[in-house]
Parts: sequence; C-alpha cells; structure tokens
Amino acid sequence: DIQMTQSPSSLSASVGDRVTITCRASQSISNYLNWYQQKPGKAPKLLIYAASNLLSGVPSRFSGSGSETDFALTISSLQPEDFATYYCQQSYSTPRVTFGQGTRLDIK
Amino acid sequence: QLQLQESGPGLVKPSETLSLTCTVSGGSISSSYYYWAWIRQPPGEGLEWLGGIYYTGSTYYNSSLKTRVTISVDTSKNFFSLNLNSVTAADTAVYYCARQGRGGPTNNRFDPWGRGTLVTVSS
Repeated sequence: DIQMTQSPSSLSASVGDRVTITCRASQSISNYLNWYQQKPGKAPKLLIYAASNLLSGVPSRFSGSGSETDFALTISSLQPEDFATYYCQQSYSTPRVTFGQGTRLDIK
Repeated sequence: QLQLQESGPGLVKPSETLSLTCTVSGGSISSSYYYWAWIRQPPGEGLEWLGGIYYTGSTYYNSSLKTRVTISVDTSKNFFSLNLNSVTAADTAVYYCARQGRGGPTNNRFDPWGRGTLVTVSS
C-alpha cells in the first residue's frame, strides 16, 4: 500500500499568516493527490484535486503544488475559518486510496 | 444537489456485526461516473477508506479489512450499505459515506460526504 506522511502533525499560526502543509508519498504518485479540510464535528470537504486544481467555490488563498512524491498545500493569508485539520489523499492506486494522518492547524 | 445520509445503530456489541446504510438523494446511484464509498474515523484519529461499490455491484475493499467488510447496493431504492463483522472496540469510529469519482486517478476523489454517524462498540 502507498503510505502518505504529512508534516507537521500540528501547526499554530495567526490570522494573516502564510502557511504550508506538506505531504509525502512512499512512492511516485504523479499528480494524483487530493486535499481535504475538516472542521470539528463535520465531514471532510474536498479542497484541491489532482495536486493543484481548486474545487469550484474554494477561496483562491488556497493552492496546491507538487508531483511524484512531494506535495504541498499553501494558504496564502490565513482567515479565521481556515483553522481546521487538513488531510491529503492519494488517488494513484484507484479505486483504493490512502489518506495522510492529518495536520491540525490551530490559532496561535 | 446530491446529498448522502448515513443511518444505523449507534451502539454495537463486541463480536457482532455493524450495519449501516447510506441513502443517496438528489441524484442517481446508478451513474457510470462514480463509486460509492465508506470511510471511517476513530475518535481523535485520521481517515481510513474501508471500501467502495459500483452500481453494478462490483466492490473494492481495503486489504486490511477485506475479510470483515461487505458493501452492497440497492439501485431501486438508491442506497448502499456497509456490514463489518466481528467488531471490537477498535472499530469504534465515525463512519462516513461518500461519492467517489471513477474513471482514473484524476477523478478518484471524495465529494460530497455524508455528515457521518458515530458507532460505538461496547457491551
């Protein structure tokens, strides 16, 4: 199975900060990488698919990059509603998938 | 728009079978573009894909749970179901159903999700 490792596991930041979360795959997955946002008590929501494509309606302060084994989710200017947990998910081994362990983003 | 809703018992005894249903509304489950998936999240932990099903009945399971998981579909009533047998406390989790894109890795993403249902395994 393809293992996905996110870093950091948790992160504290302030409104207006630029933050980057990384996700590393245990083997090359091309650009088959999705990002989700989960707020407490809620289901995850898809933000970015195929590494860098924003889902319609997702604010442009979110961006994704990377290919092969190394990927990043960047929030250019944190807003209060962005404090959440973020997960990456590889889709290379479709339909079977694996998720990263999550990165919790807290208010500093 | 498409909505998914999980339903089923919130408490299951150890060694018994966990059974959940996901009702799909606002769209047909008989679409060639999608699988229908189950994902779970133990309290305070991350996400684990359990498996999925195509409307024809073809199934795909997480290899770590393959012997205990069964997913089925009822296209006439637009729902799909999860059975997980021989449960233990480690199966306590929020269980989500979700639509999973089909047609190659670029489409293989989960959107939308149900709200989730907490299932506790305890005597």
